[in-house]
Amino acid sequence: DQQVKQNSPSLSVQEGRISILNCDYTNSMFDYFLWYKKYPAEGPTFLISISSIKDKNEDGRFTVFLNKSAKHLSLHIVPSQPGDSAVYFCAAMVYTSGTYKYIFGTGTRLKVLA
Amino acid sequence: KAGVTQTPRYLIKTRGQQVTLSCSPISGHRSVSWYQQTPGQGLQFLFEYFSETQRNKGNFPGRFSGRQFSNSRSEMNVSTLELGDSALYLCASMGGGGSGANVLTFGAGSRLTVL
Repeated sequence: DQQVKQNSPSLSVQEGRISILNCDYTNSMFDYFLWYKKYPAEGPTFLISISSIKDKNEDGRFTVFLNKSAKHLSLHIVPSQPGDSAVYFCAAMVYTSGTYKYIFGTGTRLKVLA
Repeated sequence: KAGVTQTPRYLIKTRGQQVTLSCSPISGHRSVSWYQQTPGQGLQFLFEYFSETQRNKGNFPGRFSGRQFSNSRSEMNVSTLELGDSALYLCASMGGGGSGANVLTFGAGSRLTVL
C-alpha cells in the first residue's frame, strides 16, 4: 500500500522555466511533508518542508504547496536551472511509536535542459 | 561538522552469502534509520534505532537485521542474500535538537550487487 505517490517518474523542463513536481498521499494523519533531492552517487539531501497546518512554504527558488482537501502537494522550482537536474523524493512524516516515521514516494527524475 | 558516513560504498556478493553494512551518524544524532532504494520502489524503510534499541521496523523479512552501538554507530546485516537484495542501502541520522531535529540527513549509501 503506497501511502505517498509520485505518479510522474520523469519530467523535462527548459532552463529558466518553472518545474512542477507533484505528490499525492492517502493518510490524513501525516504531520509534515518534505522534499528531498538526490544526485547520482550521493544520498538524498533535504530541500524544503511544510507543516500540515500550512498551505505554502517558500525558500528562494523553491515553493511547496499543500492542498489538504485533495491530499496533494507540489514543489515549484522557479526558475529552473541545469543544476536542479536530479531525482526528487516527496516524503511524509507521521508520529508513531515515540518517533517520527518517514514514508517516501518513488521519486521523480527532473531534467532541466540548457 | 562531519556528515553521515557509510561503508563500504560498493560491494559485490553472491547468492546465499551475508553482508554487513556500517553507518556512522552525525555527531550528537542518536537516531539512525536504514532505507533500501531500488528503481521504481523509491526509498523503503527498513528500521530505525535510537539509543541502541530498535524503535521502528518496516516490512522486510527477518534476513534483514540491524543494531546500534553505544556511540550511535549502526550496522545492518542481510543474511542468505538473494538477487532481489541488489539495491542502494541508505543510512540516515536524525536528532541534535533545534528546528532540524526531525529532518533526516542521509549518507551516500552502500551499493550492493548480488550475483
